Amino acid sequence: QVQLVQSGAEVKKPGASVKVSCKASGYTFTSYGISWVRQAPGQGLEWMGWISAYNGNTNYAQKLQGRVTMTTDTSTSTAYMELRSLRSDDTAVYYCARDRSEMIYDYWGQGTLVTVSS
Amino acid sequence: DIQLTQSPSFLSASVGDRVTITCRASQGISSYLAWYQQKPGKAPKLLIYAASTLQSGVPSRFSGSGSGTEFTLTISSLQPEDFATYYCQQLNSYPPTFGQGTKLEIK
Repeated sequence: QVQLVQSGAEVKKPGASVKVSCKASGYTFTSYGISWVRQAPGQGLEWMGWISAYNGNTNYAQKLQGRVTMTTDTSTSTAYMELRSLRSDDTAVYYCARDRSEMIYDYWGQGTLVTVSS
Repeated sequence: DIQLTQSPSFLSASVGDRVTITCRASQGISSYLAWYQQKPGKAPKLLIYAASTLQSGVPSRFSGSGSGTEFTLTISSLQPEDFATYYCQQLNSYPPTFGQGTKLEIK
């Protein structure tokens, strides 16, 4: 069965960086893209970006350009999302999701809480 | 970016009720719309894509309709496990955007 398992919760200080991992299993990793979506406490869903697991092409949300980098390691079927220069409003649960086709997210990771606090 | 506005934002209903949630897009998106269900502390779950196609394993009491700028999600007979927050999402163009959510509560 398809599973996306994310790394554990993180607490970071403002200005620091965080790197969240998302390990995929149960399907051919390189046949699908991975998107990252975040959700601030009590808020809605915000798309952060997408990466092709086939060739590494990326597409980032404009507001995060320059602060976010998404990568994959096909040898371990793992996707990564790194966010730099963290601010308090980056506090959120970060989800990875499999992009089955053109922005349809059919499987999601369990979420990783990133807390930014001094 | 395409804005999606859901109504209502909160909905109180009883088990067995028929409920409808509306999602309006700021510009035409053909049928490029998906619906997700999210329960507290859990990841979103895909219910419907292409406006009306039921994702595998989703109960048939869920249905979606619409095209262009107005869409609906209908639950024909509410079950206890359906009380959750529902989000629409447009997949017509980047960046994909989500509605603000509709919280469905037990009356």
